[in-house]
Amino acid sequence: AQTVTQSQPEMSVQEAETVTLSCTYDTSESDYYLFWYKQPPSRQMILVIRQEAYKQQNATENRFSVNFQKAAKSFSLKISDSQLGDAAMYFCAFRGGSEKLVFGKGTKLTVNP
Amino acid sequence: SQTIHQWPATLVQPVGSPLSLECTVEGTSNPNLYWYRQAAGRGLQLLFYSVGIGQISSEVPQNLSASRPQDRQFILSSKKLLLSDSGFYLCAWTRDSSHEQYFGPGTRLTVT
Repeated sequence: AQTVTQSQPEMSVQEAETVTLSCTYDTSESDYYLFWYKQPPSRQMILVIRQEAYKQQNATENRFSVNFQKAAKSFSLKISDSQLGDAAMYFCAFRGGSEKLVFGKGTKLTVNP
Repeated sequence: SQTIHQWPATLVQPVGSPLSLECTVEGTSNPNLYWYRQAAGRGLQLLFYSVGIGQISSEVPQNLSASRPQDRQFILSSKKLLLSDSGFYLCAWTRDSSHEQYFGPGTRLTVT
């Protein structure tokens, strides 16, 4: 079974600085998708970014980018120019051949003014 | 565009009472639908998912059940709530052609 591990329960960053959230996963599949979701205090889950495993190029969405290392099974999220609104729980998620997403336990990000 | 609705937004129910949470999706057809539960400060636990009307897969044996009476409607139910059923319930949907899931606003359930 696939597992997703987020080793940082909490992280903090100064406003306007850059922070990287870590995620590793375990799978025997070769074709899969990886995601980062953001859950602000409202608790609405918001998709931040997705990465297809067959793509070598790292995905980027504005200030959010990923470092996808397929051989190492690592999928980190980099947030540049952090803003107060970035404060939230961040969940890494994996989807392989099934219809289900497997989530990590999350990293709580605090942004300090 | 597609939207997903959940209601109620909050619910306080006594132990032993029944439960019915509803999720509906607009703007798409034949979505895959999911129910998750999230305890305070914890990750998401997949409870049920459905790939079509009347097709329900259960991930965790418990006193909850799910039904899909219509293509874009997904209902989470219980005949008798337990204290441990308290939590935040999220519904999500996805298309076969896509892989990411989109979530509803959630229902905060407190069992007293």
